[in-house]
Amino acid sequence: GESVGLHLPTLSVQEGDNSIINCAYSNSASDYFIWYKQESGKGPQFIIDIRSNMDKRQGQRVTVLLNKTVKHLSLQIAATQPGDSAVYFCATTGTASKLTFGTGTRLQVTL
Amino acid sequence: DTGVSQNPRHKITKRGQNVTFRCDPISEHNRLYWYRQTLGQGPEFLTYFQNEAQLEKSRLLSDRFSAERPKGSFSTLEIQRTEQGDSAMYLCASSPGRPRDEQYFGPGTRLTVT
Repeated sequence: GESVGLHLPTLSVQEGDNSIINCAYSNSASDYFIWYKQESGKGPQFIIDIRSNMDKRQGQRVTVLLNKTVKHLSLQIAATQPGDSAVYFCATTGTASKLTFGTGTRLQVTL
Repeated sequence: DTGVSQNPRHKITKRGQNVTFRCDPISEHNRLYWYRQTLGQGPEFLTYFQNEAQLEKSRLLSDRFSAERPKGSFSTLEIQRTEQGDSAMYLCASSPGRPRDEQYFGPGTRLTVT
C-alpha cells in the first residue's frame, strides 16, 4: 500500500527565514501531490499541488519541489511569518482519488 | 461563504448511541470525501462519492458506519452504536474532479464518545 512519511515531526524557524518541510512517499504510481496546512481545531487548508509530470511549482511565498527519482517532495515557505505556524501535511493520490496523508510536521515560527 | 461546511462542529454522545453528521460541499463540486483524523495523525480516508454514487469505501468503514449523498449535493455520515474508539475529528472534503482534483476540506465535526 501507499505510505507517506515526513522526516521531521517539528521544525522551528525564525520569523523572516525560509522554511523547508520534507516528505517521502513510497508508491511510484503516485501522480498527484498536495500540501495542506492545518491550524489547531480547523480542517486542512489547501496550499499548493503538483502533478507527477512537473518537478517544481510556485505559489505565493510557497514552492513545491518533486523528485520522482527518490520519491521525495518538499515545501518551501519564503520569509516565514508567525501566521505560518501550523501542522503541515503532504498527501498523495495514486490510481484512486483518495488522499493518503503523512503524520504531519509542526512548524513553529519564533520571533 | 462558498467553502465546505459541516454540522455539527462538536458532538458528545454516550457509547451505544447513534450519531449523524452532515457535509455541504462547495457547489458544483461533484466529488465528496469523508476522512477521519485522530490526534497527532493525518486524516485517513473513509469513503467518497462521485455525484450520488459511493465509489469507494475504506476498510476503516465498519458496518456501523454508513454514508449517503442522495441528491449528489450534501452528504451524511451516520455511526450506529458508537464506541469510544470512534472518538475523532470527521472531515469532509469536496473536489471538482479531474483534471484538477484538489480537495478542499471543511472545518470538521469533533466526536467525543463517553
